[in-house]
Amino acid sequence: DTAVSQTPKYLVTQMGNDKSIKCEQNLGHDTMYWYKQDSKKFLKIMFSYNNKELIINETVPNRFSPKSPDKAHLNLHINSLELGDSAVYFCASSQEGLFPNVLTFGAGSRLTVL
Amino acid sequence: GNSVTQMEGPVTLSEEAFLTINCTYTATGYPSLFWYVQYPGEGLQLLLKATKADDKGSNKGFEATYRKETTSFHLEKGSVQVSDSAVYFCALKTNTGNQFYFGTGTSLTVIP
Repeated sequence: DTAVSQTPKYLVTQMGNDKSIKCEQNLGHDTMYWYKQDSKKFLKIMFSYNNKELIINETVPNRFSPKSPDKAHLNLHINSLELGDSAVYFCASSQEGLFPNVLTFGAGSRLTVL
Repeated sequence: GNSVTQMEGPVTLSEEAFLTINCTYTATGYPSLFWYVQYPGEGLQLLLKATKADDKGSNKGFEATYRKETTSFHLEKGSVQVSDSAVYFCALKTNTGNQFYFGTGTSLTVIP
């Protein structure tokens, strides 16, 4: 059973389209994250939710909107896709209060905007 | 503020060579320190961790020692294999806040 699973793994779409990436974790963690990894492998935090509440909201265009229907799921919706949105998006989860607090990552969703 | 600085890559080594990837950090309080590894086409996986000064994390032949006096957590392996080819990320988390801070990643290629 995959601990943090993301779908789809690959997504190719045209500029201007709207797309979503879904993430689910079965670890019972209470905190979930979205990271963006660019072509140089640089990892940037985008959002974090703790028990369905937004707790980290980095400088990200308004076209990106996270949604957490419950603490096991964190989805990422992107409106009006742009070429610069092409990247690998990683979902991750952790459990606050555990020491040490360790991040568990999904396998990534590669988004290509044409 | 909190940040992680790790050595720029890419690093290319011959099989059985000694590996060091430098990592230094800036943090408020007493962070936990981590090394994550990303194999081609995969997500990041925890490689090892250390939670206090002088702790040594180890896994799969890799080691890193939490050095508070030099604010460093350098990754080492005595004899690398082709299968160690990957991108390695140093990271920290403080005990306040929910954010993990990652370095820029160091790409390692091991050639036979």
